[in-house]
Amino acid sequence: DVKVTQSSRYLVKRTGEKVFLECVQDMDHENMFWYRQDPGLGLRLIYFSYDVKMKEKGDIPEGYSVSREKKERFSLILESASTNQTSMYLCASSLPNYNEQFFGPGTRLTVL
Amino acid sequence: GENVEQHPSTLSVQEGDSAVIKCTYSDSASNYFPWYKQELGKGPQLIIDIRSNVGEKKDQRIAVTLNKTAKHFSLHITETQPEDSAVYFCAASPDDKIIFGKGTRLHILP
Repeated sequence: DVKVTQSSRYLVKRTGEKVFLECVQDMDHENMFWYRQDPGLGLRLIYFSYDVKMKEKGDIPEGYSVSREKKERFSLILESASTNQTSMYLCASSLPNYNEQFFGPGTRLTVL
Repeated sequence: GENVEQHPSTLSVQEGDSAVIKCTYSDSASNYFPWYKQELGKGPQLIIDIRSNVGEKKDQRIAVTLNKTAKHFSLHITETQPEDSAVYFCAASPDDKIIFGKGTRLHILP
């Protein structure tokens, strides 16, 4: 059974803290994605990686960075968390040229 | 870049009736159109998809149609059941990335 896991379901952080969100997939997928989901705005792509150590900006990369040191793991980093980064964060993975993305359960991040 | 519009944002239908969600897209290079269902507390899950060389696809109670000329595609759910209550997202994909619509919250009324 294919699986994408995220390190935390709920996270509460303070403004200015450095935050790491981890995502692991067990499907040997080349592509991995980070989205944020906000009410009325749908899913917006933050960053995308199509191979180890490769990354590409999505639609809303400001305030975020990513790391992909191993094929199965894709990390989202908030260098200095701000209240407007309070959101649901979803990780996904896919094969190249196959399109279907498999999503993790999400991490609900609250920045106080 | 690609832009996907989805309507309606909320839809309530009586159990047993049909539900239709409509989407438009802007990039003629898009060739893959998935639909995702998101239940409470879970990540989105693919329920059906269609590629640009096909006009219609059906899987039990769910069907999708695609009109490439008009850049429209739709999701049809027949004989709706309580477990169909969820948020549905349409999407379009010109490459390895997927651009999502803003979602439709579907309520199935008893």
